[in-house]
Amino acid sequence: QGQLAQSGAEVKKPGASVKVSCKASGYTFISYVITWVRQAPGQGLEWMGRIYVDNGNTHYAQKFQGRVTMTTDTSTTTAYMELRGLRSDDTAVYFCARATSSYEGDHFDYWGQGTLVTVSS
Amino acid sequence: QSVLTQPPSVSGAPGQRVTISCTGSSSNIGAGYDVHWYQQLPGTAPKLVIYRNSNRPSGVPDRISGSKSGTSASLAITGLQAEDEADYYCQSYDSSLSGSGVFGTGTRVTVL
Repeated sequence: QGQLAQSGAEVKKPGASVKVSCKASGYTFISYVITWVRQAPGQGLEWMGRIYVDNGNTHYAQKFQGRVTMTTDTSTTTAYMELRGLRSDDTAVYFCARATSSYEGDHFDYWGQGTLVTVSS
Repeated sequence: QSVLTQPPSVSGAPGQRVTISCTGSSSNIGAGYDVHWYQQLPGTAPKLVIYRNSNRPSGVPDRISGSKSGTSASLAITGLQAEDEADYYCQSYDSSLSGSGVFGTGTRVTVL
């Protein structure tokens, strides 16, 4: 049974950067896609982008282009999401999730527990 | 704002049937892209309950079902139980947003 374990909560000042990790276990890491989703307090889910673990290709939502970088380390089966130029409206819980195939419209079967990122001066 | 629209809330008494709609357009659901559904309990990660329009993952009760037609999809819960009280989100793909994943606006299901 696959699992995704995320890093702990972060508090950052406006303008800073945050890097959230997502460690995969229980499945062949390189064979799947990792997607990042965020959820602001009391709000819905927002798709941020995906990374194809086998070749490192990424696809980011237009809203985050230029501010986000998604990477993976296959030696440690860990995915990372870095968001720069943080603003107060970036305060949210950030989730990683496994897409079941490389088909861009496919579903997410495993989810991390979420990482709360708070941006405050 | 999301390109997939859901009603903010639906409610029903125990044992009743509720349905949640997910309305899209010709660039997402109407283009033939699959729709998936997630249940989210407070303070937890979303859980997949329907994938590829109408398929249930192992462990999801058959009281929960999904369908898709035209530019919309629906999630139905029959025999409503207290444990079904949660937020539900649809998810698909949109070709007009430089090819992005998209979620619905979310629906709170309340068991009266």
